[in-house]
Amino acid sequence: DSGVTQTPKHLITATGQRVTLRCSPRSGDLSVYWYQQSLDQGLQFLIQYYNGEERAKGNILERFSAQQFPDLHSELNLSSLELGDSALYFCASSGMDWLTDTQYFGPGTRLTVL
Amino acid sequence: AQSVTQLDSQVPVFEEAPVELRCNYSSSVSVYLFWYVQYPNQGLQLLLKYLSGSTLVKGINGFEAEFNKSQTSFHLRKPSVHISDTAEYFCAVIPVYNQGGKLIFGQGTELSVKP
Repeated sequence: DSGVTQTPKHLITATGQRVTLRCSPRSGDLSVYWYQQSLDQGLQFLIQYYNGEERAKGNILERFSAQQFPDLHSELNLSSLELGDSALYFCASSGMDWLTDTQYFGPGTRLTVL
Repeated sequence: AQSVTQLDSQVPVFEEAPVELRCNYSSSVSVYLFWYVQYPNQGLQLLLKYLSGSTLVKGINGFEAEFNKSQTSFHLRKPSVHISDTAEYFCAVIPVYNQGGKLIFGQGTELSVKP
């Protein structure tokens, strides 16, 4: 158990819909990261938040947005869903030094878009 | 830009045999290097990381990796594998400039250990 929790574990929805994925970081970790894992793209970095502020952005679609709340949990919002958004979405957290501190990954949310 | 290439998508090996999973990277700036393991239906777990110092890095579960700057490689090795090592292994880098902790992953190597 990494200490990072993600809900829900599975999500099945239809094209055009909007979903919210939730992540609680390890106790004391200030950085939260979101990654997408799909068969065709592999593991891709989406976005990082540090203590409530956006710190780094990857190839995140404009239909996707995220935020980190004062209690440090984070949410990833995916809207106007397409079939290609079906993937495993991971959240990770780390301490203050995002370059050298280990990123601990949650178990993921499997999103299926029908 | 940075990229990571894992040279083998699948590596089948017999139990108690040695294994090497190969990883090469490309980057115009210095990077930190990582190996993660993903067991079926689970998240990723750090095996080891290279930040600086000795180029031979020891990790968990008997794995080790060697950083070779001239060949831009970071191959993962284990002298004797177990059935329980069956998993997907990911090599990753973080560029050492102040633009966050973005992990850039390779495509993964599926290690299959057979009895």
